[in-house]
Amino acid sequence: DTGVSQDPRHKITKRGQNVTFRCDPISEHNRLYWYRQTLGQGPEFLTYFQNEAQLEKSRLLSDRFSAERPKGSFSTLEIQRTEQGDSAMYLCASSPSLAGADTQYFGPGTRLTVL
Amino acid sequence: QKEVEQNSGPLSVPEGAIASLNCTYSDRGSQSFFWYRQYSGKSPELIMSIYSNGDKEDGRFTAQLNKASQYVSLLIRDSQPSDSATYLCAVNRNRDDKIIFGKGTRLHILP
Repeated sequence: DTGVSQDPRHKITKRGQNVTFRCDPISEHNRLYWYRQTLGQGPEFLTYFQNEAQLEKSRLLSDRFSAERPKGSFSTLEIQRTEQGDSAMYLCASSPSLAGADTQYFGPGTRLTVL
Repeated sequence: QKEVEQNSGPLSVPEGAIASLNCTYSDRGSQSFFWYRQYSGKSPELIMSIYSNGDKEDGRFTAQLNKASQYVSLLIRDSQPSDSATYLCAVNRNRDDKIIFGKGTRLHILP
């Protein structure tokens, strides 16, 4: 399968714990995006990378959130001291070009439940 | 005004009929427009992209763009029960080249 993959697919954690999600984009895609989606809403932009550089971080992202793409390939999203409000689907998408307006291909998502 | 607006639905359409989904956007500088389909509990799947005014057809799907009216639509011909899903409209925001999603329209095809 050469699509975007995400791991884990589901994560249940207790409030206050740290969690880390991984995204493997489509091979050779330059851009990688993280979104968060809650029920009844469209995906909300969190952050994105062009190769290994993190170019933008949404104001939605508190200091508890951090993302990396160390070698310009896979990316990780870490949430520290999770809160119940962090419960959502976390989506990763990749795009082949250096232009943000290009098509984005989504992974299956990681569903986070914070108890 | 929201950047990308869609009627949340649900939109109920009989099987075999044409489903018409609509989207308006606020950024006059937007150049790229996308329709994604999302089944419950799944991630969005790209259906169509459109960049120029007019119609673009792909199988049973037709995307329509009118930049002057800041309006983009998706038509689904010969609707099937498997088309029942949430359809997300996405538009690039010109000032920072980011893609903004609407909340989606829930479509229900009645057998």
